[in-house]
Amino acid sequence: GESVGLHLPTLSVQEGDNSIINCAYSNSASDYFIWYKQESGKGPQFIIDIRSNMDKRQGQRVTVLLNKTVKHLSLQIAATQPGDSAVYFCAETAGYSTLTFGKGTMLLVSP
Amino acid sequence: EAGVTQFPSHSVIEKGQTVTLRCDPISGHDNLYWYRRVMGKEIKFLLHFVKESKQDESGMPNNRFLAERTGGTYSTLKVQPAELEDSGVYFCASSQEVGVGELFFGEGSRLTVL
Repeated sequence: GESVGLHLPTLSVQEGDNSIINCAYSNSASDYFIWYKQESGKGPQFIIDIRSNMDKRQGQRVTVLLNKTVKHLSLQIAATQPGDSAVYFCAETAGYSTLTFGKGTMLLVSP
Repeated sequence: EAGVTQFPSHSVIEKGQTVTLRCDPISGHDNLYWYRRVMGKEIKFLLHFVKESKQDESGMPNNRFLAERTGGTYSTLKVQPAELEDSGVYFCASSQEVGVGELFFGEGSRLTVL
């Protein structure tokens, strides 16, 4: 496994708060975006995705917002729980090419 | 159904030695990817197999890295000879769709080169 989170931007929230994790991407040709969650000792796990023809997509307790004008992606987690503590990565791809991951943000949720 | 499995979970070797990492993708997934995360940094793409063929190996850092997927099932990633900067976590992922689709990642193989 891996000790995730070393030298990463960190967001600390209280249980029950809403969390917003931001990601800036650089490739204006990217047309598909994914958020992954990585818990310590585990591999990245798919959370939610969004295509470039949308600006918002909702899942269970999570919402992804896409602003193509400023090349910005955000992940909103409602009613954050201690189990949400992890490193969150955004990833982008253009067409059917490979995924490019962002650096990651560590989310710490305290009870 | 079994997920993506990787072996070993952790390997500690000395500089100059050889290590082989193995990945068993989800059964039926033609697409297999190797990624690497150096401590505290982003996850970087290494290469992509479609069945037994290398679709994209643009992320392979140098010729000390050799990936194979004989028969289009499991894959191996060999590092020979290992250098200190090769330390990190090597993730394997598989997907059913052409292109990235939803990738299913393994838990990673941590490589420590001393």
